[in-house]
Parts: sequence; C-alpha cells; structure tokens
Amino acid sequence: DTAVSQTPKYLVTQMGNDKSIKCEQNLGHDTMYWYKQDSKKFLKIMFSYNNKELIINETVPNRFSPKSPDKAHLNLHINSLELGDSAVYFCASSQPSGRGEQYFGPGTRLTVT
Amino acid sequence: GQSLEQPSEVTAVEGAIVQINCTYQTSGFYGLSWYQQHDGGAPTFLSYNGLDGLEETGRFSSFLSRSDSYGYLLLQELQMKDSASYFCAVRGTGGFKTIFGAGTRLFVKA
Repeated sequence: DTAVSQTPKYLVTQMGNDKSIKCEQNLGHDTMYWYKQDSKKFLKIMFSYNNKELIINETVPNRFSPKSPDKAHLNLHINSLELGDSAVYFCASSQPSGRGEQYFGPGTRLTVT
Repeated sequence: GQSLEQPSEVTAVEGAIVQINCTYQTSGFYGLSWYQQHDGGAPTFLSYNGLDGLEETGRFSSFLSRSDSYGYLLLQELQMKDSASYFCAVRGTGGFKTIFGAGTRLFVKA
C-alpha cells in the first residue's frame, strides 16, 4: 500500500497553461504539505495544511492554489505556468506533534516549455 | 528568519565513518531531523533529535546541541548504497513548518 501518492509523476506543458497535481495519503495524518525542489535540489516548503485548514503559505505566487477537500487529500493547481515553475513538486504528510516525521510522495516532475 | 548550513559535498570510502554537520538559526524550535534522498527519489526520514544528545538507529546516529544550534549525522560502515543527498531540517511555527538545509551530497567510493 502506497503511503503518500501523487499524480501525475511527469507533467510537460507549455507556458501559460493551467495544470493540477493531486496528492493522497492513507496514513491518517492531520498535516499535509507541498514542497518545491529546484534543479539544485533545494527543498522549499510552499504550503502546509492541518485538518484541511491552510496554516503556512510561504509567499508563493497566487498562481498556485492548493485545495484540501479532506484531510487525506491535498491538491495543487497552478495557473498561467511560467518557465521558472519547472521543478519537482513533492507532497508530504505528518503528524505535527512528536517527531513530526514527514512521509513524502514520489514527486511530480513539472517541465514548462 | 530561519536558515540551516551544511556542507555541499562529502566523499568517503566504503567501510569508513562520515559526519555531516548542520548549524541552524530558527525562531521556534521543535527538533532537528535528517532525511536521505537518492537521485530521482523522494526524501525519506532518517532520524530526529528533540533533545540534546545522541540518537542511534543502526548504522546511523544523530546528535543535537541546542545551546550551540548544532547537530550532525554520523554514518558508520559506509556502503555504496549510502551515496545520496542528506538534508538536515528544523521544525518551527507550531510544528507545521519545516525548513530544509541545502543538502549534502555524499559520494561513497569503493
């Protein structure tokens, strides 16, 4: 059983398009995240949700809109894609207490041409 | 603000011991974690230190000194499969925000 799953794994699209990435976790965690990892492997938090509520929004352009329909799902919609959006996007989940160990999805490699 | 510093690259030979250091600056601290990421893969959790001292998990150990804002990951009996990137990470803001270091690329040579 996959703990954190993301779809699609690869996404190639043109500038100006709108795309979505879906994430689901079956670990019963309360907190979910979106991270962006650039070509230099720098892993940067974008959003953090707890029980469907947005907790952290790390000055991400408003072209990025996360949505959490329930605490097991966190989707990311991106409008008007730009070249600089090309990266690997990781979804993750954890419990906020204790060790806060984060479980990451396999990642979505987004390429904007 | 929050920031972490770790070396960008470390090279070691199979069977050796390597230490990856991490210093951090953070407002609010809920612990220091370490993650491993192989090329093309996702980060996976290795260890966590909430209190000062050493935590051991098999070949991997992690240490924290909160007074020095410093920690390290110790990898013993290095194997080729340990070649990967290692990230230190600190949790702040009520435990909902984790900041990752830039990662240390470990090369293990035969």
